[in-house]
Amino acid sequence: NAGVTQTPKFQVLKTGQSMTLQCAQDMNHEYMSWYRQDPGMGLRLIHYSVGAGITDQGEVPNGYNVSRSTTEDFPLRLLSAAPSQTSVYFCASGALSGANVLTFGAGSRLTVL
Amino acid sequence: ILNVEQSPQSLHVQEGDSTNFTCSFPSSNFYALHWYRWETAKSPEALFVMTLNGDEKKKGRISATLNTKEGYSYLYIKGSQPEDSATYLCAFRNNNDMRFGAGTRLTVKP
Repeated sequence: NAGVTQTPKFQVLKTGQSMTLQCAQDMNHEYMSWYRQDPGMGLRLIHYSVGAGITDQGEVPNGYNVSRSTTEDFPLRLLSAAPSQTSVYFCASGALSGANVLTFGAGSRLTVL
Repeated sequence: ILNVEQSPQSLHVQEGDSTNFTCSFPSSNFYALHWYRWETAKSPEALFVMTLNGDEKKKGRISATLNTKEGYSYLYIKGSQPEDSATYLCAFRNNNDMRFGAGTRLTVKP
């Protein structure tokens, strides 16, 4: 049981480049979400999804796109990377019913030069 | 706006001390309050999920209480050990959205 798998673990981009962070879960969770972690700010919600075909914005959605074409996958796209998007990104998933305890991926460290 | 506040921001205690920290959250549209433990270089792991006012949860030396009417939760650690050193995050869930506080970073000195 792989849980939540994020790729890549590390990425360096130049300003203006685009890229996609991949997230996949094998637990049949309806809920998936992306957070970014910055020093002193904890985890801030970027986007989330409650099922295939359904996405919504979190606290800091600007500069990011998401889609949810399958239950398993929830990629996060940076359309035109900016230095302010340098951060560690975490994907998390959970069951919508009941407690919705989140299972987190290992994180992706992104540096934008 | 879902403001989740945690205090203190950081805490240094001696091994054997008991300690507690606070999470405050909006008292309206409450669905659940989560506590996660986050060790350096790892991913957050769930400690507790509480849904009812007055809930108390316990796991070993760690326990948590919940007051949904006034919008706060306490996490207690009894007899802290160096392996308890971590950042403790609380997260407020209102329907589908889940927002995290900035965390309390606990350091337990041997």
